[in-house]
Amino acid sequence: NAGVTQTPKFQVLKTGQSMTLQCAQDMNHEYMSWYRQDPGMGLRLIHYSVGAGITDQGEVPNGYNVSRSTTEDFPLRLLSAAPSQTSVYFCASSYSAGRSSGEQYFGPGTRLTVT
Amino acid sequence: AQKITQTQPGMFVQEKEAVTLDCTYDTSDPSYGLFWYKQPSSGEMIFLIYQGSYDQQNATEGRYSLNFQKARKSANLVISASQLGDSAMYFCAMRPPGLGQNFVFGPGTRLSVLP
Repeated sequence: NAGVTQTPKFQVLKTGQSMTLQCAQDMNHEYMSWYRQDPGMGLRLIHYSVGAGITDQGEVPNGYNVSRSTTEDFPLRLLSAAPSQTSVYFCASSYSAGRSSGEQYFGPGTRLTVT
Repeated sequence: AQKITQTQPGMFVQEKEAVTLDCTYDTSDPSYGLFWYKQPSSGEMIFLIYQGSYDQQNATEGRYSLNFQKARKSANLVISASQLGDSAMYFCAMRPPGLGQNFVFGPGTRLSVLP
């Protein structure tokens, strides 16, 4: 049981480049989400999904796209990287609240630097 | 909108002593979940403890307990018998009701355990 996996662990991009951060979970969780973590600001929600084919915006969605074609995968796309997107990105998954306390399981994170 | 406040940016505690990390929250929903996560220097997010808003008793998990005061909207984390390995960032988070399950995180408290 791998839990939540993220690739890559580290990435350096130039301004204007695009890339996809990969996230996968093998726990059959309905809910998946992407956060960014910046110093002193905790985690902020970028996008989330409550099931395959269903996604929605979180607190800071601008500059990011997501899709959820399968229960397992939830990739995050940076359309045109900007220095303001330099951050640590976490993917998380959980059961819906009705099935458990709904705690989120986190991936190891991706440290992204945009120059 | 939901909000989490953690007023202690940093805390120090002597090894083997107990420490309380403060968390207050703001919500108008009667149903919600409260969580604490630990983030060591290695960066991963580790789930510690959960408290449901309708739970009658305070949650406990080993050396962690949650001092839940619903009327005051506080959910403080108590760590008993601190260990050097407890040195980390600690985040309080809230999950409101509903399908979206958009967790809201506080800014975190950095705990340093002194030998």
